[in-house]
Amino acid sequence: EAGVAQSPRYKIIEKRQSVAFWCNPISGHATLYWYQQILGQGPKLLIQFQNNGVVDDSQLPKDRFSAERLKGVDSTLKIQPAKLEDSAVYLCASSLNLGQAEKLFFGEGSRLTVL
Amino acid sequence: KNQVEQSPQSLIILEGKNCTLQCNYTVSPFSNLRWYKQDTGRGPVSLTIMTFSENTKSNGRYTATLDADTKQSSLHITASQLSDSASYICAPGGYQKVTFGTGTKLQVIP
Repeated sequence: EAGVAQSPRYKIIEKRQSVAFWCNPISGHATLYWYQQILGQGPKLLIQFQNNGVVDDSQLPKDRFSAERLKGVDSTLKIQPAKLEDSAVYLCASSLNLGQAEKLFFGEGSRLTVL
Repeated sequence: KNQVEQSPQSLIILEGKNCTLQCNYTVSPFSNLRWYKQDTGRGPVSLTIMTFSENTKSNGRYTATLDADTKQSSLHITASQLSDSASYICAPGGYQKVTFGTGTKLQVIP
């Protein structure tokens, strides 16, 4: 079974530039999550989708971050314009559904460095 | 505010030795707790999950305990191997929300 796919694995940009990350969840998984993991910290939820609807985006900095999952399958996370503090690993995860104890399957992450 | 504290921050042990990682949490509502293993440069992988009514759960050499009354959990690793070198993240959750701890970075040396 294929896991969660993310690209690119690494990206280096200058501040004020834009960047986009792509995620393809495990086939059949209805719920998709984007997490930000700053070095030395645990993952922080940015946005959670159930199919193509947003369940939780309370911690998404909406002035610069946006995400979509138009067809309820793959998803794109965009940052525009990037700031130095956005340097982090962006993890995508998926789960079968939106349950109390759903197991999250994570991708390998996209490491962003903002100079 | 939901909080998760893990200790120690980092740990170095000799191959073959045992170790125990601690997690204290303040999460509401609470219904379950997962431990994840995160290898360097990879995404977290679930090791165990316990609901609030469970006290212990094993997965091979990994044994997790949970005391929902004191809001504490531990992860015990038996007979450590070099491949156990990773960060271990505690993740309590409830009502479809999960809070991740900052992790304990474990290094197993020969």
